Amino acid sequence: EVQLVESGGGLVKPGGSLRLSCAASGFTFNTYTMNWVRQAPGKGLEWVSSISSTSSDIYYADSVKGRFTISRDNAKNSLYLQMDSLSADDTAVYYCARDHYGDYSLDSWGQGTLVTVSS
Amino acid sequence: QSALTQPASVSGSHGQSITISCTGTSSDLGTYNYVSWYQQHPGKAPKLMVYDVSHRASGVSNRFSGSKSGNTASLTISGLQAEDEADYYCSSFTISSTRVFGGGTKLTVL
Repeated sequence: EVQLVESGGGLVKPGGSLRLSCAASGFTFNTYTMNWVRQAPGKGLEWVSSISSTSSDIYYADSVKGRFTISRDNAKNSLYLQMDSLSADDTAVYYCARDHYGDYSLDSWGQGTLVTVSS
Repeated sequence: QSALTQPASVSGSHGQSITISCTGTSSDLGTYNYVSWYQQHPGKAPKLMVYDVSHRASGVSNRFSGSKSGNTASLTISGLQAEDEADYYCSSFTISSTRVFGGGTKLTVL
């Protein structure tokens, strides 16, 4: 069974940093592109970033480019999101999601971790 | 990276059919058939329902179907059931190799 478990969320002050993690199991992690998607309270889904299986291809939404860094450790079956220069607009539940092979849809999702940016 | 356009809400009676539209541009779903649809119940993670415009994800009822014409994709749910009441999101791959979601549509089953 595919499992994605996010961690690392919490309360952080504006301008601060946070690192999210996503532990993957139940599939061959090092063959899948992975993503972060976020959802602000009461709002819709927003794609944040993707990283290919070998980390050779990385993409970001304009809203986080230059502030967030996605990475992965295939030896640890883990995905990460380093978030710097956080603002209130970054307050959201952050989901880790796996790409469906070859079509850019997201076929498995974690339960999400809440990040709150507030003074 | 403007969001795809979806109606904020749709409703239908039990047993009827509804269609949710999703409008993009030539920079996203107008160029690619990498259109997917997600169902999200309150407090839950999204669930993939349809990928590649019209392919149902594993285990998804055949009451769900997708299509696309030009810059607009659509999700049709037939034989509405109470458990279909949820938020629905479309998504597309873009020419920048990023992804974009629609704003979401709240489906109410009357």
